[in-house]
Amino acid sequence: NAGVTQTPKFQVLKTGQSMTLQCAQDMNHEYMSWYRQDPGMGLRLIHYSVGAGITDQGEVPNGYNVSRSTTEDFPLRLLSAAPSQTSVYFCASSYSKGGRPYGYTFGSGTRLTVV
Amino acid sequence: AQRVTQPEKLLSVFKGAPVELKCNYSYSGSPELFWYVQYSRQRLQLLLRHISRESIKGFTADLNKGETSFHLKKPFAQEEDSAMYYCAPNIIQGAQKLVFGQGTRLTINP
Repeated sequence: NAGVTQTPKFQVLKTGQSMTLQCAQDMNHEYMSWYRQDPGMGLRLIHYSVGAGITDQGEVPNGYNVSRSTTEDFPLRLLSAAPSQTSVYFCASSYSKGGRPYGYTFGSGTRLTVV
Repeated sequence: AQRVTQPEKLLSVFKGAPVELKCNYSYSGSPELFWYVQYSRQRLQLLLRHISRESIKGFTADLNKGETSFHLKKPFAQEEDSAMYYCAPNIIQGAQKLVFGQGTRLTINP
């Protein structure tokens, strides 16, 4: 199993550009989430999904869109990149036990710089 | 407001000394709690979950509902324990989402 795969690993964008961070998992996990990691801020939840076709906002959703058309994929779209979105982005997925996520598996991250 | 707090951003102890990383939460109900670890230049990994009462790499954590705490402990620190540690409650009322504390960077000195 590949686990959780994120692409690209590194990206530099100009302010105003849009792009999609890809996340795929091959573990048939129901739950998927996107986080951003910033120094001194820890990990903050951007968006999450509890299954295909179901998404919801996390703590810091502004400037980001998500969709979940399949169980495997959960792309994160930056609509108009801003320097404040410079961060490391992590995707995570979890299986369900007793109707609840039992423990998330994380991708290796995407380091995004917006200039 | 519902939140999770890790009061120590940095913690430094000597090898062989006991370690305690603090985590307090203020969520209503009974969230499930996890500890995650991130070693240098690696992805986050699940360290333990309170539901299964596991002990991984010598670490344990007890959920104290009275104090709303879930402190991570290890009796004898090892140099390879140096890492970033995150406490994370899974909010189970209304939404199944994992929210992280700000993290504690643990450094074990030789």
